[in-house]
Amino acid sequence: AQKITQTQPGMFVQEKEAVTLDCTYDTSDQSYGLFWYKQPSSGEMIFLIYQGSYDEQNATEGRYSLNFQKARKSANLVISASQLGDSAMYFCAMREGFGNQFYFGTGTSLTVIP
Amino acid sequence: DAGVTQSPTHLIKTRGQQVTLRCSPKSGHDTVSWYQQALGQGPQFIFQYYEEEERQRGNFPDRFSGHQFPNYSSELNVNALLLGDSALYLCASRPAGTGGRRWKKYFGPGTRLLVL
Repeated sequence: AQKITQTQPGMFVQEKEAVTLDCTYDTSDQSYGLFWYKQPSSGEMIFLIYQGSYDEQNATEGRYSLNFQKARKSANLVISASQLGDSAMYFCAMREGFGNQFYFGTGTSLTVIP
Repeated sequence: DAGVTQSPTHLIKTRGQQVTLRCSPKSGHDTVSWYQQALGQGPQFIFQYYEEEERQRGNFPDRFSGHQFPNYSSELNVNALLLGDSALYLCASRPAGTGGRRWKKYFGPGTRLLVL
């Protein structure tokens, strides 16, 4: 089974609107971490936001927030007030237990329309 | 403060050749991991180095090997290159110490390898 599933290959959003990128995960560990990264065409993976499995509050980092629903095993990324510079690939990733390996999804391509 | 750096940025090799990719972690980081990202896919974990030893390995053959130096920089070596090794190779580093933020990985810009 896939550890991370991103079901939206591509998304479009109007500038200044909010958008939600979906991510579901699969793990039997009680301790895990969830991450979102942005990858522009240049290739570098840019860290956006982190949510620990024991964190009670949803993580927020500026315009980014993570909608963490533990029972549903989902960790959706919400980008508020989209900007043209937000156009990129977005990857959801998970770390299990105390392991070093990150499991990545296949990504969602986001295009912000002026 | 420089981020994670990788060299070279691009590389073209032929089947059967060997390649070495290099990575310098961010200042204050002591753990380096390598990922392979094929076109249209998410990154796949190759291995991680800490204290100059390989600590964890993903599902990659022995043709993929690495090294970490005392200054925490790292090399990824791939022998007997195959066409399927063509990919973006990403290096990521993690902060030293403990705490929740230690789990955050910072990625470099990657090395694009093309095997002909």
